[in-house]
Amino acid sequence: QKEVEQNSGPLSVPEGAIASLNCTYSDRGSQSFFWYRQYSGKSPELIMSIYSNGDKEDGRFTAQLNKASQYVSLLIRDSQPSDSATYLCAVRKTNAGKSTFGDGTTLTVKP
Amino acid sequence: GAVVSQHPSWVICKSGTSVKIECRSLDFQATTMFWYRQFPKQSLMLMATSNEGSKATYEQGVEKDKFLINHASLTLSTLTVTSAHPEDSSFYICSARDNGRVGQPQHFGDGTRLSIL
Repeated sequence: QKEVEQNSGPLSVPEGAIASLNCTYSDRGSQSFFWYRQYSGKSPELIMSIYSNGDKEDGRFTAQLNKASQYVSLLIRDSQPSDSATYLCAVRKTNAGKSTFGDGTTLTVKP
Repeated sequence: GAVVSQHPSWVICKSGTSVKIECRSLDFQATTMFWYRQFPKQSLMLMATSNEGSKATYEQGVEKDKFLINHASLTLSTLTVTSAHPEDSSFYICSARDNGRVGQPQHFGDGTRLSIL
């Protein structure tokens, strides 16, 4: 079992729809959770950080964390073609440790 | 926000050449930096963790003598691909985190695309 698991996709949604990206992790002691976006040929860029159970909203993005279920998700509202990218979930156990990355979910938003 | 600068962006060189890639944290100190490699349409692969003032920690299967890492200051880590061959051609990305602040995420440099002829 991988430490961080994501559906590889591809996930395809029409423009304006809500895209839902999911991630599960195996280490119950994980404390910090991150979502990155990676465009083809580019390096990952941070979208959201979340540390406590519940929802965290930033513009069109909402991260949801459920530590009991070991599950973190990213919702993208009003999806745009420019949101088409690979989304990486990252999990970290301690402040001093490294983040463990999932393999990513590829999202395509169709005009 | 935190900025990580990576240089160069592109390298094309002949087989047998050694290539050095620099990674700098511009507005924070990073006692730890991370080096990743990514092949086309594949996942990020962590190669090594660079520790300021001490030896790097390499992931299983990564050759220490092939990929030399030096982290001489709190803002600079370098990766040297020694005697590079075509199979070393890849996208190399560094990442750093502000260790001075709790819970900070890793930020990535723009990456270096290495092509060995």
